[in-house]
Amino acid sequence: EPEVTQTPSHQVTQMGQEVILRCVPISNHLYFYWYRQILGQKVEFLVSFYNNEISEKSEIFDDQFSVERPDGSNFTLKIRSTKLEDSAMYFCASSEANGGLATGDEQFFGPGTRLTVL
Amino acid sequence: ELKVEQNPLFLSMQEGKNYTIYCNYSTTSDRLYWYRQDPGKSLESLFVLLSNGAVKQEGRLMASLDTKARLSTLHITAAVHDLSATYFCAARNAGGTSYGKLTFGQGTILTVHP
Repeated sequence: EPEVTQTPSHQVTQMGQEVILRCVPISNHLYFYWYRQILGQKVEFLVSFYNNEISEKSEIFDDQFSVERPDGSNFTLKIRSTKLEDSAMYFCASSEANGGLATGDEQFFGPGTRLTVL
Repeated sequence: ELKVEQNPLFLSMQEGKNYTIYCNYSTTSDRLYWYRQDPGKSLESLFVLLSNGAVKQEGRLMASLDTKARLSTLHITAAVHDLSATYFCAARNAGGTSYGKLTFGQGTILTVHP
């Protein structure tokens, strides 16, 4: 069964360093998302991406964050200068569609990358 | 701004009992999702509810949606230990400029004990 994959599973970094989190969405999916979950809290939307550009972003997704689809399979989230409060689990998700009456807009989540900023 | 609230946040159940988790959302939504999360794991999709009156069942879990009341419920029948997990509901904004953004509730931590 197709699934979303993410690497690495755990990333430890020093404050101020750049990190890149990688995701491989399900191959026929066209819409990609990043969410984060601070330990013990709810899941929060960061950004959605379609047709090689950002569709929507949250207040959390400031200038320190960027997303990219460098090739036909990977989808990356970059944090330029990490802060302590960026420590969280980051989930990538993808969906086949995004709207209408189809159920193909169900979002499938990857296993997550746990980011620890020291 | 769409807000989603779940209750209860913590639920301790005895095996064999029934209970309901409630999910209220603040503005019009065209999709309501239920996810399960085991500790340290990802989100597993349980149900997608598309329209008013929708009811879906899988094993001991049944989800329903009332769009007029902006309420979804997740009913647990005859709970077993394997159902212990955190359950999230998530709603999607209807129309406008939203492109699939899901707004999650706080999650309900369910513990089923003998």
